[in-house]
Amino acid sequence: DTEVTQTPKHLVMGMTNKKSLKCEQHMGHRAMYWYKQKAKKPPELMFVYSYEKLSINESVPSRFSPECPNSSLLNLHLHALQPEDSALYLCASSQSVTRGVSEQFFGPGTRLTVL
Amino acid sequence: SQQGEEDPQALSIQEGENATMNCSYKTSINNLQWYRQNSGRGLVHLILIRSNEREKHSGRLRVTLDTSKKSSSLLITASRAADTASYFCATRGSGGYQKVTFGTGTKLQVIP
Repeated sequence: DTEVTQTPKHLVMGMTNKKSLKCEQHMGHRAMYWYKQKAKKPPELMFVYSYEKLSINESVPSRFSPECPNSSLLNLHLHALQPEDSALYLCASSQSVTRGVSEQFFGPGTRLTVL
Repeated sequence: SQQGEEDPQALSIQEGENATMNCSYKTSINNLQWYRQNSGRGLVHLILIRSNEREKHSGRLRVTLDTSKKSSSLLITASRAADTASYFCATRGSGGYQKVTFGTGTKLQVIP
């Protein structure tokens, strides 16, 4: 199974809502990532988990809260978002973060709209 | 910043023609990767070239890397309408953990 799945595909939320994005992979990868992508822009790294521990936080506002319950799952909890947070949120996984060559496998993304 | 600059930003060709996209980056790298993204969807890994490699092929894809010029090119031969997508180069720096940083992307349209 070489697939990364993400749910939901689309999410519309108000600025006072709390919601969560979910990501799952069964490739035995030990590194998982959250990216944010605005229209016509490249993906921007948000968080990196390595062996279920948060390794990198790219100065992401605290209204985004990542969680890695186990080696296959990655969540992104959303609270009090702003309209400018509307974007495509991509999850990815790779074998590890430090292995020299490590391609990333991406999920299809969650299209988030904040009203 | 490692971010690659890609050119052209957009490219429109007829089916059957070749498409060439270029990527330039700023600092030393461990490897350079190319990804494809269909409109509003996830990225698909196409090919990875290590810093000690100069050229790599995969099917209709040919990637070159010139570390002295800090540049790479992706050639898609005999393009098909299904190749219509955005293409991103992504660089990974050398030494320890280095995040993968994506370039600005080239939007390719292949006209049937």
